Amino acid sequence: GQQLNQSPQSMFIQEGEDVSMNCTSSSIFNTWLWYKQEPGEGPVLLIALYKAGELTSNGRLTAQFGITRKDSFLNISASIPSDVGIYFCAGLFAGGTSYGKLTFGQGTILTVHP
Amino acid sequence: NAGVTQTPKFQVLKTGQSMTLQCAQDMNHEYMSWYRQDPGMGLRLIHYSVGAGITDQGEVPNGYNVSRSTTEDFPLRLLSAAPSQTSVYFCASSQGGTQYFGPGTRLTVT
Repeated sequence: GQQLNQSPQSMFIQEGEDVSMNCTSSSIFNTWLWYKQEPGEGPVLLIALYKAGELTSNGRLTAQFGITRKDSFLNISASIPSDVGIYFCAGLFAGGTSYGKLTFGQGTILTVHP
Repeated sequence: NAGVTQTPKFQVLKTGQSMTLQCAQDMNHEYMSWYRQDPGMGLRLIHYSVGAGITDQGEVPNGYNVSRSTTEDFPLRLLSAAPSQTSVYFCASSQGGTQYFGPGTRLTVT
């Protein structure tokens, strides 16, 4: 099946710093999604990307769908303490018997020091 | 809209017991799925459904059953709980590619 490698696994940063994380795959995906999960909660969708090369922003968050369709990155600018959480990338392979199945990266644990 | 709801929020079972985790969505989404989340492993797909009456296996289906008699509900059944099934379980629904998650059920099997 499809595999996603997400890096880094964890980040410890100071408030105000920018953050960058990425996901790579050996398979081609048709959709890339970025989620944030806070303790005791389910993942919440941050950004959805539907086309290769697409660059999308949501406030201080920016994500891009790689042109090879095998990678994506998420940037957070000027981090604040409430950015703390686990960030997951997810790829959707829409085709054949894998229709509609999301594959998740392992997550990036973000800690922001005030 | 309540979105995706899950019950219970917490559950402790003894090995061999059975139980059903409930999931409901009020967005009229066709696609629903169940994931388990374990430390360091992200979310793994257990079972999914592309519509009422249609279900299929995901990456880790063993030990779990599902059914989809209505668009709104997608229960997950553990037939004989094992300690390896201790995990946090998330239900999700989607229309198109974007999936929306419930708050999760934390299950401990002793």
